[in-house]
Amino acid sequence: KNQVEQSPQSLIILEGKNCTLQCNYTVSPFSNLRWYKQDTGRGPVSLTIMTFSENTKSNGRYTATLDADTKQSSLHITASQLSDSASYICVVSPNNNAGNMLTFGGGTRLMVKP
Amino acid sequence: DTAVSQTPKYLVTQMGNDKSIKCEQNLGHDTMYWYKQDSKKFLKIMFSYNNKELIINETVPNRFSPKSPDKAHLNLHINSLELGDSAVYFCASSQDLTEKTQYFGPGTRLLVL
Repeated sequence: KNQVEQSPQSLIILEGKNCTLQCNYTVSPFSNLRWYKQDTGRGPVSLTIMTFSENTKSNGRYTATLDADTKQSSLHITASQLSDSASYICVVSPNNNAGNMLTFGGGTRLMVKP
Repeated sequence: DTAVSQTPKYLVTQMGNDKSIKCEQNLGHDTMYWYKQDSKKFLKIMFSYNNKELIINETVPNRFSPKSPDKAHLNLHINSLELGDSAVYFCASSQDLTEKTQYFGPGTRLLVL
C-alpha cells in the first residue's frame, strides 16, 4: 500500500529559528514529490515540486530535499516567521499523471511563536 | 482575483438531506478535482474531471456525484447525507492532467448533524 508518513506531527519553534520537517514514502513507482503549505481554514498552496532526478529545490526561505534511494524528503524552513505557522503536507505522485493516485501525508503542524 | 472559489464556505445540515457544493475556477484550466479532508487532516482525492469527463473515482460512494456544466465549474452533489460525510471538501484545478501544480479552493466545511 502506498503511504506517506510525516514527522513530527507538530512542532513549536521561536520566531527566527530554523526547522526541518521530514517525509518518508513507500509510493512506487515514483514520479514527483510536492510540499504544500496549508494555513488554518484555507486550501493548500504549493511550495515545491521535485521530480525523481532532483535532489533539492528552494522557494525563498523554504528548501526541499529529496533522496529517491531512501524514499525520504525534508522541508527546511530558514529564519522562521510568524506567518510560517501552518500545516505542511508532503504529497507523492506515483506516475506522470498529476491528478491520478496522489498520496497525501498527514501533515506537520508548525507553530512559530514570537 | 480569486483563482478557485467554492460556495458555501460552511454547510450545516441534517442526516438524510441532499446538498450541493459549487466550485469555479477562472484560470482556464482543463482539469478540476474534489478532495475530502478528514478530521485527521488527511486529504483524499474523490474525483478528477478533465475537459468535463470524469477521469477517476476513488471508490467514493455513489451518493456523491460530481457535475460539470462547463470546464470552469465542477459541482459536488451529495445525496442522503451521513454523519461520516462531515469533513472539509476542497476543490482544486490544474492546467491539465499532466500539470503537477494544483491550485486549491478555500474549502467547504460540512457538518452533518
